[in-house]
Amino acid sequence: QQPVQSPQAVILREGEDAVINCSSSKALYSVHWYRQKHGEAPVFLMILLKGGEQKGHDKISASFNEKKQQSSLYLTASQLSYSGTYFCGTEHADSWGKLQFGAGTQVVVTP
Amino acid sequence: NAGVTQTPKFQVLKTGQSMTLQCAQDMNHNSMYWYRQDPGMGLRLIYYSASEGTTDKGEVPNGYNVSRLNKREFSLRLESAAPSQTSVYFCASSRQGVNQPQHFGDGTRLSIL
Repeated sequence: QQPVQSPQAVILREGEDAVINCSSSKALYSVHWYRQKHGEAPVFLMILLKGGEQKGHDKISASFNEKKQQSSLYLTASQLSYSGTYFCGTEHADSWGKLQFGAGTQVVVTP
Repeated sequence: NAGVTQTPKFQVLKTGQSMTLQCAQDMNHNSMYWYRQDPGMGLRLIYYSASEGTTDKGEVPNGYNVSRLNKREFSLRLESAAPSQTSVYFCASSRQGVNQPQHFGDGTRLSIL
């Protein structure tokens, strides 16, 4: 089943923070985060592993809450380049190597 | 560095026509994937190839066939195109196994009239 992402969209001013959540109804093995700019291919940001630590990519970080079967992506001090659609992809123990993607969260950062 | 290359980039078909989308990667990856992306739906897996010689169905395989020609190439075929298959198709590749990031091609924008 497709993971649920929230919010669907967020508008930020440069320098503001945002959190994107990704929840699964199935036990998670890992969560992948990707960013896609309009008309382009999705680009890998980071992987969060079950039992793993919070990861970071520039000022974008993420966490994995095993109890809630949820991952959160944190955009800190947002820059114009952070604009795009963020997707989480979940990996489960019964389907290793295959990802189920959420519907995406559109992020717009304005000057 | 080419990465994952998809051809063609754009295509318009008539209902009932057939078409093969091509994908090649030069990263020596074992695993390859075909996704479709529709507005508001995210990426949905059509077919998956864990390694050369193996293929497996994903979430939405109906109406599609795949061929893993060799380690580098993974093609997707629409035998009889339908308007519901209008979408953006992405090919991706990764190292084999769990927790491997996927690298995507630039996509094929396919319209079926």
